[in-house]
Amino acid sequence: EVQLVESGGGLVQPGRSLRLSCAASGFIFDDFAMHWVRQAPGKGLEWVASVNWNSVSLNYADSVKGRFTISRDNNKNFLYLQMNSLRGEDTALYYCAKADGIGTGYGLDVWGQGITVTVSS
Amino acid sequence: QSVLTQPPSASGTPGQRVTISCSGSNSNIETNYVYWYQQFPGTAPKVLVYRSNHRPSGVPERFSGSKSGTSASLAISGLRSEDEADYYCAAWDDSLSGFVFGGGTKLTVL
Repeated sequence: EVQLVESGGGLVQPGRSLRLSCAASGFIFDDFAMHWVRQAPGKGLEWVASVNWNSVSLNYADSVKGRFTISRDNNKNFLYLQMNSLRGEDTALYYCAKADGIGTGYGLDVWGQGITVTVSS
Repeated sequence: QSVLTQPPSASGTPGQRVTISCSGSNSNIETNYVYWYQQFPGTAPKVLVYRSNHRPSGVPERFSGSKSGTSASLAISGLRSEDEADYYCAAWDDSLSGFVFGGGTKLTVL
């Protein structure tokens, strides 16, 4: 069974950093691109970042570019999101998601359960 | 404002056929795969349609996706009360080099 389990969320002050992790299992991790998507309370889905299978192609939403960094460890089957200079508008439920192909242009076919990030003083 | 445009709400009665539209452009829907997701309150989204018109195993045949030009649609036939949820379309956007979502459509079964 394909599983994605996020961790590392919590309450953080504005301007501080947080690192999200996503443990992947049940599929050949380095055969697929991976994404982070977030959902602010009561709002719709917002794509955050993506990484292709070998980390050559990294893409970011304008809202996080320069502050967030996506990375993956294909040896450990982990996806990460390093979030720096956090702002109140980054408060959301963050989902790790698997793409249905090797490149970042493929959509998301499996989602984790999500992890909450709250940015507040 | 979302890059992909969906109606904010849709409704139908049990047994009816309902269609949810998703309007985009030549940099997303026209040239890339479209995906449709169903989300119930407090749960993660679930893929209903992938690569524009493919249905994952376990998704009822009542759900179907199609695409024409810069628009896509999700059709739900034989509407059931358990279909009441939020539905999102999505696609890769070549101009933005990013994945874009529609604003979501809240489906109500009357």
